[in-house]
Amino acid sequence: NAGVTQTPKFRILKIGQSMTLQCTQDMNHNYMYWYRQDPGMGLKLIYYSVGAGITDKGEVPNGYNVSRSTTEDFPLRLELAAPSQTSVYFCASSYRQETQYFGPGTRLLVL
Amino acid sequence: EDQVTQSPEALRLQEGESSSLNCSYTVSGLRGLFWYRQDPGKGPEFLFTLYSAGEEKEKERLKATLTKKESFLHITAPKPEDSATYLCAVGSTGANSKLTFGKGITLSVRP
Repeated sequence: NAGVTQTPKFRILKIGQSMTLQCTQDMNHNYMYWYRQDPGMGLKLIYYSVGAGITDKGEVPNGYNVSRSTTEDFPLRLELAAPSQTSVYFCASSYRQETQYFGPGTRLLVL
Repeated sequence: EDQVTQSPEALRLQEGESSSLNCSYTVSGLRGLFWYRQDPGKGPEFLFTLYSAGEEKEKERLKATLTKKESFLHITAPKPEDSATYLCAVGSTGANSKLTFGKGITLSVRP
């Protein structure tokens, strides 16, 4: 099992551009999550999903969108990138409310 | 609102010098307390889940304990390879699966 995979590893965006961060898991987990991690701060939940077709906002959803059409994939969309979205983004998955397993992260720089 | 406070922010130990990392929490109803290890540039790696006060879990040089207000991660005779950031998170009972993370403790073990 590859676990949770994320692409790309690193990306530089210009202000106003858009992009999609990809996340795939092969553990057949029904719950998936997107977090952002800023220096010196804890992980902040952006969006989460409890199953295909079901998504909900987390603590910091503004400026982001998600969709969940399959169990395996949970892409995160950034529209009109802003410098405040410079961060490291982590995707995670879990079986119901049990332990969350994280991907390797995507480092995003918005200039 | 669930809260997690980790202390100290950073800890420097000599190889073989045992110590403890603290995680204080407030939560309406504890579903689980989670410890993760995070190496620089990587995603959090799951270590332990604790569910009720008095519970203890061990893995190699690490031992996690739980009370009704805090959790400790005890590190016995640490080695340089134990250097990492250790994250604590709590999940509360209820209809969602969200975790609240602390800011982490950066541990550095000198040879």
